[in-house]
Amino acid sequence: SQQGEEDPQALSIQEGENATMNCSYKTSINNLQWYRQNSGRGLVHLILIRSNEREKHSGRLRVTLDTSKKSSSLLITASRAADTASYFCATGLIQGAQKLVFGQGTRLTINP
Amino acid sequence: DTEVTQTPKHLVMGMTNKKSLKCEQHMGHRAMYWYKQKAKKPPELMFVYSYEKLSINESVPSRFSPECPNSSLLNLHLHALQPEDSALYLCASSHLLQETQYFGPGTRLLVL
Repeated sequence: SQQGEEDPQALSIQEGENATMNCSYKTSINNLQWYRQNSGRGLVHLILIRSNEREKHSGRLRVTLDTSKKSSSLLITASRAADTASYFCATGLIQGAQKLVFGQGTRLTINP
Repeated sequence: DTEVTQTPKHLVMGMTNKKSLKCEQHMGHRAMYWYKQKAKKPPELMFVYSYEKLSINESVPSRFSPECPNSSLLNLHLHALQPEDSALYLCASSHLLQETQYFGPGTRLLVL
């Protein structure tokens, strides 16, 4: 089964609204990261939150981490058309191979 | 320089061809990765190199052969591929395993 499950799979909102995406995982992690991918391009790192952190901000992005619920959320405030992309969470596991495990992703569409 | 470059951008090959994908980074990162990504799916890890040594092979078929000639370069040699191998192939690097990964733009491969 997948380590990372993202919710919703697709999200469509109006420009200026806030977008919230969620990521749940199954096993203990060292860190959780969020990446953005524009259509057919490489992934771009957005933010990394470590297991001992609860919240981080970067510009219009806010990430929370709840290790007791094994979940994270990414909030994009005041969305713009350029935010249209797929968003993936990725977890670095404590046990097992030293790699990142990517979630299934949320496809975000910002309508002008 | 925070750029990972990949060549070629597009590649069309027949099932009997031999070709190579190239990846380069000059950030001094000692971990490099190959991912395969199908449409509307998350990146799927293929190989991880750490300090120029292969540390993870995710049970990838032998028709894919990775090579790390030095700390800046990563190659993926392709031979006798199948049409189902058509995908976007992404290279990434990071300073340490499980830390922020920097992705290249990818090579879009079509196997005929």
